[in-house]
Amino acid sequence: TQLLEQSPQFLSIQEGENLTVYCNSSSVFSSLQWYRQEPGEGPVLLVTVVTGGEVKKLKRLTFQFGDARKDSSLHITAAQPGDTGLYLCAYNQFYFGTGTSLTVIP
Amino acid sequence: DAGVIQSPRHEVTEMGQEVTLRCKPISGHDYLFWYRQTMMRGLELLIYFNNNVPIDDSGMPEDRFSAKMPNASFSTLKIQPSEPRDSAVYFCASTPLGLAGQNGELFFGEGSRLTVL
Repeated sequence: TQLLEQSPQFLSIQEGENLTVYCNSSSVFSSLQWYRQEPGEGPVLLVTVVTGGEVKKLKRLTFQFGDARKDSSLHITAAQPGDTGLYLCAYNQFYFGTGTSLTVIP
Repeated sequence: DAGVIQSPRHEVTEMGQEVTLRCKPISGHDYLFWYRQTMMRGLELLIYFNNNVPIDDSGMPEDRFSAKMPNASFSTLKIQPSEPRDSAVYFCASTPLGLAGQNGELFFGEGSRLTVL
């Protein structure tokens, strides 16, 4: 059983579309992190959310931490091919989610 | 500054052979982590070090796996003997003292892709 479940597992969309990916757990977290991993590379930190209900924006990416601090979402507006990659949520350095593999088709 | 450096990038070996993966963390980072990534199990923590001392190796799958950090700038992950189920991408990551355990940002290497035939 994974501590952090992500959905969907795979997502393929056209350039310009919007999308949301989710990170869910039955546990309460003090914080959650989102990483993006491009093919052949290691994950790179995008954001850390620490307060229930918190919303953080990073250009076209919007991250939200659930009020109960059990879940988080990542919304991408007007997706671009450069957004292609594996999106991972993580708790501290010990637990990583199952990942969402995103492909944005030009 | 150079990032986390791992070698080799790719390793193909036969079952039963010894495999050694190497990692140079970012200078000044006091925490070093080894992870394994597979399609089936995702990214799993194997072991981590603080100031060259192994803190938690509960993620190491079997006694065939061992890790060392002889100094602040070098760590190895060894598999002996290797088996086909060890095929995966192995990542090393580091983070500075003071940030670890406090949502500290992990800086990953590019990984070592291991294939055991």
